[in-house]
Amino acid sequence: GENVEQHPSTLSVQEGDSAVIKCTYSDSASNYFPWYKQELGKRPQLIIDIRSNVGEKKDQRIAVTLNKTAKHFSLHITETQPEDSAVYFCAASSGGSNYKLTFGKGTLLTVNP
Amino acid sequence: ETGVTQTPRHLVMGMTNKKSLKCEQHLGHNAMYWYKQSAKKPLELMFVYSLEERVENNSVPSRFSPECPNSSHLFLHLHTLQPEDSALYLCASSAQLGGNQPQHFGDGTRLSIL
Repeated sequence: GENVEQHPSTLSVQEGDSAVIKCTYSDSASNYFPWYKQELGKRPQLIIDIRSNVGEKKDQRIAVTLNKTAKHFSLHITETQPEDSAVYFCAASSGGSNYKLTFGKGTLLTVNP
Repeated sequence: ETGVTQTPRHLVMGMTNKKSLKCEQHLGHNAMYWYKQSAKKPLELMFVYSLEERVENNSVPSRFSPECPNSSHLFLHLHTLQPEDSALYLCASSAQLGGNQPQHFGDGTRLSIL
């Protein structure tokens, strides 16, 4: 089955800096890659997603890149703000079982004022 | 956002109790999911329903029993749970069944087993 690895597990940046979180996946048939943000005590919220026919997608300060050949995708947050502090999860759809999302373990991002 | 609502938010129960978690979605979605979220572990998919039909039981012990009476409601019935079952239980929904469908989550039920 699909295996998703996410790095780093914790990331601390200064306000205004950029943050990058990376994920790798194992199933070459995976075709959908969402990113979720989970603030403490709150629900995971979808912040951006990308499909396998696209290499990059951007939404204001957030961007995601996908390298299908290397089977990795990354979340980029620019001009970080304290309210960006949260746990971020990547996920990949399991190509064989087309309704499953396999999640990474999460990255705790702390943005210091 | 109140698209997916879960109750209760917190639940403490003994190992011999029977309780139920409830999930309701107001998004008109056809697929619903139960996940278990434990510290330092990836989200674990437990059950998947599409149009009230269970399509996945991800090797979940029988002490967890799901029920989907209609496409808007999902329950998780609990009995004879173990301490290792303490976790955050998240419900999610998507418009259709499909791994490439965005999933929308509820706030979860924080379950503690004494």
